[in-house]
Amino acid sequence: AQSVTQPDIHITVSEGASLELRCNYSYGATPYLFWYVQSPGQGLQLLLKYFSGDTLVQGIKGFEAEFKRSQSSFNLRKPSVHWSDAAEYFCAVGANAAGNKLTFGGGTRVLVKP
Amino acid sequence: KAGVTQTPRYLIKTRGQQVTLSCSPISGHRSVSWYQQTPGQGLQFLFEYFSETQRNKGNFPGRFSGRQFSNSRSEMNVSTLELGDSALYLCASSRSGTGNPDTQYFGPGTRLTVL
Repeated sequence: AQSVTQPDIHITVSEGASLELRCNYSYGATPYLFWYVQSPGQGLQLLLKYFSGDTLVQGIKGFEAEFKRSQSSFNLRKPSVHWSDAAEYFCAVGANAAGNKLTFGGGTRVLVKP
Repeated sequence: KAGVTQTPRYLIKTRGQQVTLSCSPISGHRSVSWYQQTPGQGLQFLFEYFSETQRNKGNFPGRFSGRQFSNSRSEMNVSTLELGDSALYLCASSRSGTGNPDTQYFGPGTRLTVL
């Protein structure tokens, strides 16, 4: 069975600074990887996904993520954070032939200081 | 195109009661998945329906059940409610006909409180 670890529960970053959120997964084959964002009281919004191909993936809102098979990681980055990026971020993994069943990490809550 | 809608948005029930939550997927989407989100357990997969058939099931007791209708709308039911069932229940839809993961679009959720 697959699993996802997000080592950082909380991250505080200054507005305009760069942001990197870590995600490590466990899965024997090539994973289907996702990053979602959740604002308070809201559902999840997809930021980006990796299925195959180029390991550097561009998403919405200026986010990007890099798949590193050797490190079983899929870290999310943003060069310059805006106050509106304050939210909770979830990394998720899906498996081949498993339909849309996703296993989520515990989430990282991002606080943005002015 | 309208997004995923869930009704009701908020629900308060007492222990022992049962509850039905509803999810309308994006038009053209045939897959509907349900997730439970709690502070302690995080986001956990409940089940997925595709073309009215349950395609996947998570590790939840039989008190949690679901179904999908011919128009792809889905309902989930929780019987004999327990305090621990208090959670945000999220529904997600996808076109996904291949059996592999696809992009899922989430609804705003139904906040269930069990007293």
